[in-house]
Amino acid sequence: GENVEQHPSTLSVQEGDSAVIKCTYSDSASNYFPWYKQELGKGPQLIIDIRSNVGEKKDQRIAVTLNKTAKHFSLHITETQPEDSAVYFCAAGRQLTFGSGTQLTVLP
Amino acid sequence: GAVVSQHPSWVICKSGTSVKIECRSLDFQATTMFWYRQFPKQSLMLMATSNEGSKATYEQGVEKDKFLINHASLTLSTLTVTSAHPEDSSFYICSARRAWGAGETQYFGPGTRLLVL
Repeated sequence: GENVEQHPSTLSVQEGDSAVIKCTYSDSASNYFPWYKQELGKGPQLIIDIRSNVGEKKDQRIAVTLNKTAKHFSLHITETQPEDSAVYFCAAGRQLTFGSGTQLTVLP
Repeated sequence: GAVVSQHPSWVICKSGTSVKIECRSLDFQATTMFWYRQFPKQSLMLMATSNEGSKATYEQGVEKDKFLINHASLTLSTLTVTSAHPEDSSFYICSARRAWGAGETQYFGPGTRLLVL
């Protein structure tokens, strides 16, 4: 089955700086890679996703890149704001396998 | 955007009782719904996959007689925790898969926090 590894587990950045979270996956057949943001006590919220037919996708301050050859994908958040503080999960595959999560803290 | 609701948002019950959690896709039809369990500071653990009109598929280690899943319509799935015990206390989250032109996308509900006393 699919195995997803996510790094780092915690990330602290200053407000306005960029944050990058990386994930690797094992199943070369996977072709769908979403990213979810989870705030304390709430369900995961889809923030961006990418399919294997593209290498990069951007939505305002958030971007995701995908390298199918190396089997890794990354989340990039620019101009971070305190409200970006949350746990971020990557996932891969049609039946989603989740990474272990990254606690992002944006310091004002 | 696609909306998935869960009810109740939290529940406290006595040990030995059964608890039912509802998951609804509000603005789309979901042929497949998923149930996850999440412990504090951990990732989401898939419990079962539910397809409308058929029996749920449970992940290894998940007791199907303990966690009853019914997917009666394209917009509603229910999870019943039977004879709940304190170790069943957790955050339960449902998810619904939406099919659209370019592919499929999975949306999550807000979660249900269960505390068994």
